[in-house]
Amino acid sequence: AQTVTQSQPEMSVQEAETVTLSCTYDTSESDYYLFWYKQPPSRQMILVIRQEAYKQQNATENRFSVNFQKAAKSFSLKISDSQLGDAAMYFCAYRSDNQGAQKLVFGQGTRLTINP
Amino acid sequence: DTGVSQNPRHKITKRGQNVTFRCDPISEHNRLYWYRQTLGQGPEFLTYFQNEAQLEKSRLLSDRFSAERPKGSFSTLEIQRTEQGDSAMYLCASSSWTAVDEQFFGPGTRLTVL
Repeated sequence: AQTVTQSQPEMSVQEAETVTLSCTYDTSESDYYLFWYKQPPSRQMILVIRQEAYKQQNATENRFSVNFQKAAKSFSLKISDSQLGDAAMYFCAYRSDNQGAQKLVFGQGTRLTINP
Repeated sequence: DTGVSQNPRHKITKRGQNVTFRCDPISEHNRLYWYRQTLGQGPEFLTYFQNEAQLEKSRLLSDRFSAERPKGSFSTLEIQRTEQGDSAMYLCASSSWTAVDEQFFGPGTRLTVL
């Protein structure tokens, strides 16, 4: 079974600075998808960024980018120019490319605090 | 359609009672998922529907839990004989049939079992 590990329960960063959240995963599959989800306090979870494992190029979405290291099974999220609205729980998630296995496997989450 | 909706948003019940939650997915989405999230943890998969067919169930889904999606639209999750360990946030998500189907999450139903 696949597992996802986020080793940083909490992180904090000064507004406008850059922060990197770590995620490692374990799988025997070669094709899969990785995601970072954001869950603001008392609000619903939203997708921040996704990465297809077959793509070597790291995904970017505005201030958000990932460092995908397939061999090391590492998938970190970098947030540049941090803003107060970035404060939230961040979850790393894995999904198999197998059409019969649609579930997301989540890590434990990292709580990100932005200091003004 | 503004997104996935869930009702009720909060439910407080006494141990041993039955509870039912409803999820209305985004209208054009044919896939629907239920997850459970306990405090300080990431969501855990419970079950998944494609249209009205329940295609996958987690071992977490004991015989006290049942989920339905009778017409391939909304879904219900019922917990019978609730236990204090059932206290959690129950999240619903939906997605369309695409190669990389983003799952859109609802706001969740927070269950407290006294």
